[in-house]
Amino acid sequence: DIQMTQSPSSLSASVGDRVTISCRASQSISRYLTWYQQKPGEAPKVLIYAASSLHSGVPSRFAGRGYGTDFTLTISSLQPEDFATYYCQQSYSSVITFGQGTRLEIK
Amino acid sequence: EEQLVESGGDLAQPGGSLRLSCAASGFSFSEYWMHWVRQVPGKGMLWVSRINSDGSSSSYADAVRGRFTISRDNAKNTLYLQMNSLTVDDTAVYYCARDDRGADDALDVWGQGAMVTVSS
Repeated sequence: DIQMTQSPSSLSASVGDRVTISCRASQSISRYLTWYQQKPGEAPKVLIYAASSLHSGVPSRFAGRGYGTDFTLTISSLQPEDFATYYCQQSYSSVITFGQGTRLEIK
Repeated sequence: EEQLVESGGDLAQPGGSLRLSCAASGFSFSEYWMHWVRQVPGKGMLWVSRINSDGSSSSYADAVRGRFTISRDNAKNTLYLQMNSLTVDDTAVYYCARDDRGADDALDVWGQGAMVTVSS
């Protein structure tokens, strides 16, 4: 199975900060990379699909980049509602795999 | 509104069985591949299984292959997960999710989750 490794596992930041989360695949996954946001007690929500395409309704402060094995999710100016856990997920393989998650906390 | 609603989550004994259902509404269910994903509360997500739009093809994670069966009834707009030979490691919240093949298979609609607890 393709392993997805996120870094960091947790991150403390302040409202207005710019933050970047990384995701690395154990083999090339082309652009088959999705980013999700999950808040406690809720299901995940798509932020970015196909590595860099913004999902409908998602604010433009979220941006995704990357191709092959290395990907990033950047939030340009953190808002209070952005404090959550973020997951990357590959769909290149028929066996879908997720990163372990990055918990974004308020500093 | 596009919606998925899971049901069937419960307490089961090790070695027992449960069947989860996922009712879809607000979209053309028969056109979409569907997935089950599980999450131990406070932990990460594990993909469980996938089924194609007409139910003719499916795949499973190694952890559940041979014990779990995914199926669907397009006439009833419902997805199922039959879980047999349950172990304590199957304890988790189970989500059904829609696969947007036009978005490189992003899982774009999720249910609220069904809690499955396996314990004696």
